[in-house]
Amino acid sequence: EVVMTQSPATLSVSPGERATLSCRASQSVSTNLAWYQQKPGQAPRLLIYAASTRATGIPDRFSGDGSGTDFTLTISSLQSQDFAVYYCQQYSNWPPITFGQGTRLEIK
Amino acid sequence: QMQLVESGGGVVQPGRSLRLSCAASEFSFRSHTMHWVRQAPGKGLEWVALISFDEDTKYFADSVKGRFTISRDNSKNTLYLQMDSLRAEDTAVYYCATQTHFYYYMDVWGKGTTVTVSS
Repeated sequence: EVVMTQSPATLSVSPGERATLSCRASQSVSTNLAWYQQKPGQAPRLLIYAASTRATGIPDRFSGDGSGTDFTLTISSLQSQDFAVYYCQQYSNWPPITFGQGTRLEIK
Repeated sequence: QMQLVESGGGVVQPGRSLRLSCAASEFSFRSHTMHWVRQAPGKGLEWVALISFDEDTKYFADSVKGRFTISRDNSKNTLYLQMDSLRAEDTAVYYCATQTHFYYYMDVWGKGTTVTVSS
């Protein structure tokens, strides 16, 4: 099983600043990596797939990077609606499909 | 875009069964692989199972293997999750999700249905 580890668990950032979230895989997943955003009481929403491709309708302040085992999600110029929990997910070596434990992005 | 609506959640005693349903709004449902993903209270996302468009391929997480069954009725645009021998640790919000492409990430999600296993 590929274990996905996200860091930090919680990130405090001020509105308008940049946030960088990390995700590490226990073995190479190439670029088979997706990022999701989840707000309280809502279903997850796909942000990024193939490590760096934005999903339909996702603003360009969201960007993904990385390959192999190390990945980052960057949110430039944070807006109030961006404060949420973010999950990475690998779809390279499955089953099982595995998610990271999440990073909570909170307002500083 | 396809919409997914889960139903069938509720409170059930340990050891009992429950069947979840997920209704899709579009005919294209029958072309897509479908997933169930769950989220225990205050916890992260856990993939549960997937089924291919033609039901030929089914996979389960180890935590539910042998207890849960996944199926679909393409004539009704509906996905199912039969959950038997339920345990307290199965308590979660259950989401159905689809991948409208070849790769196994989920681009359309339902709002979820809550399952509580408690005596």
